[in-house]
Amino acid sequence: NAGVTQTPKFQVLKTGQSMTLQCAQDMNHEYMSWYRQDPGMGLRLIHYSVGAGITDQGEVPNGYNVSRSTTEDFPLRLLSAAPSQTSVYFCASTRAGLNYGYTFGSGTRLTVV
Amino acid sequence: AQSVTQLDSQVPVFEEAPVELRCNYSSSVSVYLFWYVQYPNQGLQLLLKYLSGSTLVESINGFEAEFNKSQTSFHLRKPSVHISDTAEYFCAVSAPTGGGNKLTFGTGTQLKVEL
Repeated sequence: NAGVTQTPKFQVLKTGQSMTLQCAQDMNHEYMSWYRQDPGMGLRLIHYSVGAGITDQGEVPNGYNVSRSTTEDFPLRLLSAAPSQTSVYFCASTRAGLNYGYTFGSGTRLTVV
Repeated sequence: AQSVTQLDSQVPVFEEAPVELRCNYSSSVSVYLFWYVQYPNQGLQLLLKYLSGSTLVESINGFEAEFNKSQTSFHLRKPSVHISDTAEYFCAVSAPTGGGNKLTFGTGTQLKVEL
């Protein structure tokens, strides 16, 4: 049981480049989310999904796109990378309802130069 | 909307000493409360959660947290810490929204246990 798998673990991009951070879960969780973690700011929600075909914006969505074509996968796309997007990105999933804690992936450390 | 405040960014403590990590929240509706732990270079792991019922909740590794509605707090405590407890700890809240159980995190508290 792999849980939440994120790839790649590390990535360096040049300003203006685009890329996709991959996230997959094998727990049949309905809810999936993307967070970014920056020093002194905790985790901030970028986008989230409550099921296949349904996505919505979180606290800091600008510069990012998501889609949810299957229950298992929830990729995060950076359209045109900027140095302000240098961060550690976490994908997380949980079952529907408020009684369950999220399961987090191990993160992707992204540097934009 | 809800918010979480963790006033202590770093807490140094000697091994076998007690520790308290503070968490206060703000919300206009009832919330669920969580503590997550992040070990170096890893993702976050759920430590414990308060949903309803008894205001004192415990984890399997000796941590406990008490929900205090009047003080809007959910402080995390351990009576005797170990070197392996060195990690960053995040308090989080979730509340019913239009869709999804979105978590709002505090800024985290780095617990450093020293010999």
